[in-house]
Amino acid sequence: QKEVEQDPGPLSVPEGAIVSLNCTYSNSAFQYFMWYRQYSRKGPELLMYTYSSGNKEDGRFTAQVDKSSKYISLFIRDSQPSDSATYLCAMSGVNSGGYQKVTFGTGTKLQVIP
Amino acid sequence: GAGVSQSPRYKVAKRGQDVALRCDPISGHVSLFWYQQALGQGPEFLTYFQNEAQLDKSGLPSDRFFAERPEGSVSTLKIQRTQQEDSAVYLCASSSPPGLAGHTQYFGPGTRLTVL
Repeated sequence: QKEVEQDPGPLSVPEGAIVSLNCTYSNSAFQYFMWYRQYSRKGPELLMYTYSSGNKEDGRFTAQVDKSSKYISLFIRDSQPSDSATYLCAMSGVNSGGYQKVTFGTGTKLQVIP
Repeated sequence: GAGVSQSPRYKVAKRGQDVALRCDPISGHVSLFWYQQALGQGPEFLTYFQNEAQLDKSGLPSDRFFAERPEGSVSTLKIQRTQQEDSAVYLCASSSPPGLAGHTQYFGPGTRLTVL
């Protein structure tokens, strides 16, 4: 079993829809929870991060972390065709070497149809 | 430039060839990470440098993989005797604070390696 599980999709939604992306994890030592967006043939770019549990909102994006359930979510409101990309959840904690090693999910491919 | 750059962007190698992939991190960034991203998968950690010191190489798949960062800036990932299973995108990321990664790292565009 992988440390981080993410449904690879693809997920296809009409423009304007609310999108919900989710990941589960097994390592209780994770402290930082991140969402990256990756366009085709590009490197991942950080969208949002949360430290420990709670919600964080940034424009049309909301990230939620529930450490008790080991479950994280990303919501995209009023989705746009430009949101079409692969969304990667990622998590990290400080390891015994005193630095963070990031573990990624497989990514969910999202397509927003005009 | 302002971001992380990688070269070449695309590399085709015949099985058994050696390849070298270069990463130019953001100037002044202490931490440098290499990841391997197979098709349809998320990036997998390969190795971590803090300045010129390679602090973690636990993700390197075999002894055919070797990474260096001799002067604490540019890094090279070398793969000897390439195999078809080495085909992937190799991503480099750099971060300013030592030891921190997930929420502070900036990725390059990657090098897409195809082994025939």
